[in-house]
Amino acid sequence: DAGITQSPRHKVTETGTPVTLRCHQTENHRYMYWYRQDPGHGLRLIHYSYGVKDTDKGEVSDGYSVSRSKTEDFLLTLESATSSQTSVYFCAIREGRSSYNSPLHFGNGTRLTVT
Amino acid sequence: GQNIDQPTEMTATEGAIVQINCTYQTSGFNGLFWYQQHAGEAPTFLSYNVLDGLEEKGRFSSFLSRSKGYSYLLLKELQMKDSASYLCAVLTGGGNKLTFGTGTQLKVEL
Repeated sequence: DAGITQSPRHKVTETGTPVTLRCHQTENHRYMYWYRQDPGHGLRLIHYSYGVKDTDKGEVSDGYSVSRSKTEDFLLTLESATSSQTSVYFCAIREGRSSYNSPLHFGNGTRLTVT
Repeated sequence: GQNIDQPTEMTATEGAIVQINCTYQTSGFNGLFWYQQHAGEAPTFLSYNVLDGLEEKGRFSSFLSRSKGYSYLLLKELQMKDSASYLCAVLTGGGNKLTFGTGTQLKVEL
């Protein structure tokens, strides 16, 4: 158990509303990631963070923003949710001190439905 | 850009051996990971390769050829619990970004 908690686990929201997903870790890891997983597309990187207030975009960052004001929390915000953002969202942390062979460990996911 | 290809589905028999292939074309390469994902669950780490050759870990082995942009995951003595999706992922971006293939759904039958 890499000490990752995602909240909420399930959420249904309406188009146009803002949504924030939270990822919390207990082990002080530097790197944190947000992915979405959709049938036929696999896991796609949205944003990642390499430290407090240090973030970068992934391949599908449009429509999403992130914030990391403290080491343990990485927030993903959908400013105005759209039906195309219906997905399963996974947070991940990376163990180790930035060594290449450090694997990502994933949280249990948040299932988001935008109606 | 990144391009990672895996077969969509495979079926194998309990007790047999199965090989899941992955080919990739990426800008920059810092290693290749294999993950296992059971339905409705999070992916879990299986193996990492950065040098050419075979890495063995119990019933699972992973092979890498950097010059060919090719990897495979070998599962021996298949068990029903090995029915899952197997994800190939390449580390790029100076070692910061992990890009996943779409996964191979393996079904193990009696």
